[in-house]
Amino acid sequence: GQSLEQPSEVTAVEGAIVQINCTYQTSGFYGLSWYQQHDGGAPTFLSYNALDGLEETGRFSSFLSRSDSYGYLLLQELQMKDSASYFCAVRNSGNTPLVFGKGTRLSVIA
Amino acid sequence: NAGVTQTPKFQVLKTGQSMTLQCAQDMNHNSMYWYRQDPGMGLRLIYYSASEGTTDKGEVPNGYNVSRLNKREFSLRLESAAPSQTSVYFCASSEPGAMDEKLFFGSGTQLSVL
Repeated sequence: GQSLEQPSEVTAVEGAIVQINCTYQTSGFYGLSWYQQHDGGAPTFLSYNALDGLEETGRFSSFLSRSDSYGYLLLQELQMKDSASYFCAVRNSGNTPLVFGKGTRLSVIA
Repeated sequence: NAGVTQTPKFQVLKTGQSMTLQCAQDMNHNSMYWYRQDPGMGLRLIYYSASEGTTDKGEVPNGYNVSRLNKREFSLRLESAAPSQTSVYFCASSEPGAMDEKLFFGSGTQLSVL
């Protein structure tokens, strides 16, 4: 089976940088994804890491260390609209569906 | 493009009633999924269909049935609704084989079972 651990809540100040960690235990590993969900909305894809290292997309970056079974999502220049829940998700293999963590609720304060 | 369309958006049922949640995607994706989301529990997979003609159980399939009607449509049926099935339900689709294989989600169905 799989398990993913991420903090349940994080609070950060507007304009600052915040890091949301995710550790996972899986029987196999095909990649780590991140999704964003605003209250009342649907999850939307943010990023994907299959290999070790940092992937950057604008203000958002995602990091993966396969040897440590660990990844993180980095949000820079925080804006109020970044207040949302963030989910990490893993896949055991190319044929298995995504398994999601329980999510981290990010609150951005002024 | 509409993407993934779910109906209805809201539904209230009495215990024991049945209903079907509809989902359709217009992205020509092979894989479709049904997740439920409860507070503090993240997204849990109910059933998925890797391709037209196949369905498989996910983490929490009890009390549900699914039908992959064609490549576009994947429905979720509650035969005898229970209060424990009160949740937000999301349908999603993806194209397997892509490097990131990102999921595209519908807007969700908020279901209350009284």
